Amino acid sequence: DSGVTQTPKHLITATGQRVTLRCSPRSGDLSVYWYQQSLDQGLQFLIQYYNGEERAKGNILERFSAQQFPDLHSELNLSSLELGDSALYFCASSPRGSTGVVRGNTIYFGEGSWLTVV
Amino acid sequence: TQLLEQSPQFLSIQEGENLTVYCNSSSVFSSLQWYRQEPGEGPVLLVTVVTGGEVKKLKRLTFQFGDARKDSSLHITAAQPGDTGLYLCAGEGALNFGKGTSLLVTP
Repeated sequence: DSGVTQTPKHLITATGQRVTLRCSPRSGDLSVYWYQQSLDQGLQFLIQYYNGEERAKGNILERFSAQQFPDLHSELNLSSLELGDSALYFCASSPRGSTGVVRGNTIYFGEGSWLTVV
Repeated sequence: TQLLEQSPQFLSIQEGENLTVYCNSSSVFSSLQWYRQEPGEGPVLLVTVVTGGEVKKLKRLTFQFGDARKDSSLHITAAQPGDTGLYLCAGEGALNFGKGTSLLVTP
């Protein structure tokens, strides 16, 4: 158990709909990361928040948005869903906000949220 | 985005065999990480390498960072079924992942 909690674990929804994925980081961790994993694209970094502020942005679509709340939990909002958005979405957390050399700043992944768009 | 290419994509071996998987890029990385992901779980960090030429050992796993910090390898000695999983390399603070090597070790 990494200490990172993601809900829901599984979600099936229709095209065009909107869903929200929730993440609670490890106790004391200030950074939250979101990733999308699919068979064809692999594990893709979407976005990072540090103590409520956006820190780094990756391959996140405009239809997707995220935020980190004062209690440090984070939500990833996916809207106008398409079939291609079906994937495993991971949240991860780390103590610090640094995204460069990270020895000593281990990133811990949750178990993921399986999203199926039909 | 710095591209990380991992090879082989799939590897199926028998218990007791040795294997090496590779992570290559045309870009220089300040650090590189290796993760293992088991089915139904998130990736778990195995090691971070920072210095060119660095070699780190984790029990039967040996990790090497290339001298030019553009490539890395993971060698497993006497593989066991518990080593089965997806091995991912990542650069620059886990913001950039390769597609991974899926390893199956059969008894």
